[in-house]
Amino acid sequence: QKEVEQNSGPLSVPEGAIASLNCTYSDRGSQSFFWYRQYSGKSPELIMFIYSNGDKEDGRFTAQLNKASQYVSLLIRDSQPSDSATYLCAVNIRYGNKLVFGAGTILRVKS
Amino acid sequence: KAGVTQTPRYLIKTRGQQVTLSCSPISGHRSVSWYQQTPGQGLQFLFEYFSETQRNKGNFPGRFSGRQFSNSRSEMNVSTLELGDSALYLCASSLGGLAGGVSDTQYFGPGTRLTVL
Repeated sequence: QKEVEQNSGPLSVPEGAIASLNCTYSDRGSQSFFWYRQYSGKSPELIMFIYSNGDKEDGRFTAQLNKASQYVSLLIRDSQPSDSATYLCAVNIRYGNKLVFGAGTILRVKS
Repeated sequence: KAGVTQTPRYLIKTRGQQVTLSCSPISGHRSVSWYQQTPGQGLQFLFEYFSETQRNKGNFPGRFSGRQFSNSRSEMNVSTLELGDSALYLCASSLGGLAGGVSDTQYFGPGTRLTVL
């Protein structure tokens, strides 16, 4: 079992719709969870981080964490074509800044 | 505030050579982490340096090494290059302080694209 798993997609949504991206992790001791966006040929760009169970909202983005189910998700409301990218889920599973990344989900927003 | 900078941006080497990549973190950040990204393996953690000490290490062979200077700038070195070392090498910086095991946020540089022929 991989430490961090994501559906590789592609996930296709129409412009204006809600995109839902999911991630599961294996280490119950994980405490820090991050979502990065990566455009083709670019480096990862931080979107959100979440440490506590529940929802965290930032503009059009909402991160959801359920530690009991070992599940993290990212919702993108009012999706735009510019949101088309690969979304990487990252989990810090031990002391220090060692992030374990999922393989990423390709999101395509169609206008 | 300036972001994370990496030099060089592109590099072409041949098998058996060695290479040194450089990373300058965001001002005030004391932790620098290095990652390798390939199409097949995705993003993989190489190592992290904090206050000139290696704090974490990933599962890479000893050919991959790094160091951090007193100004928090970091270098990574790959010796005896192999074809499989062709990748995007990413550096990420963060403040480095940890509270209760919760890590702080890492910001990535633009990366160095290494091609080994």
